[in-house]
Amino acid sequence: EADIYQTPRYLVIGTGKKITLECSQTMGHDKMYWYQQDPGMELHLIHYSYGVNSTEKGDLSSESTVSRIRTEHFPLTLESARPSHTSQYLCASSRDGDRGYTFGSGTRLTVV
Amino acid sequence: QKEVEQNSGPLSVPEGAIASLNCTYSDRGSQSFFWYRQYSGKSPELIMFIYSNGDKEDGRFTAQLNKASQYVSLLIRDSQPSDSATYLCAVSSAGGYNKLIFGAGTRLAVHP
Repeated sequence: EADIYQTPRYLVIGTGKKITLECSQTMGHDKMYWYQQDPGMELHLIHYSYGVNSTEKGDLSSESTVSRIRTEHFPLTLESARPSHTSQYLCASSRDGDRGYTFGSGTRLTVV
Repeated sequence: QKEVEQNSGPLSVPEGAIASLNCTYSDRGSQSFFWYRQYSGKSPELIMFIYSNGDKEDGRFTAQLNKASQYVSLLIRDSQPSDSATYLCAVSSAGGYNKLIFGAGTRLAVHP
């Protein structure tokens, strides 16, 4: 049973709309991450957080923003969606990086 | 050169055979190494992690690490059709912060 939840699972939205992808975990993990993955391609880190009020940009430039007001919640926001944002977004968490990450089920975003 | 390189495959093996998946990485400071399995349309799930040179076995899976050669491998014994998936190699970033760098994955197809 998943301990990290992402909603929505699928989202089709028009260009210019503001969207928020939700990610919550019940494991009490301090560290949370957002990855972007296109089909057949590697995961790219776009944001990460080491705890409440701590957020950093990842290795892949992204127009999205994140917040971490509560330990369990790490939402990602796109202020104005564009077709180039079409991708799968994966949220993950870890207690410490040496044990790897637990991933959520992902949000597949399509911007039309 | 990519930070984590994998042969994209597909690697096709008959049922019952040993599947051998390979990964090379560029950062000599990396300390932790992970193998994830990703079924089509699903999120990655952790199957093995290894920190020390040598072999680590877990059921039908064996991870092998050679830090001098910057090489990680995954062996799957007695391959089953249910093992058909993409296998992602992930390496901890030497820069710390528990960030993982993922390869693009090797697609494994186990045929009856």
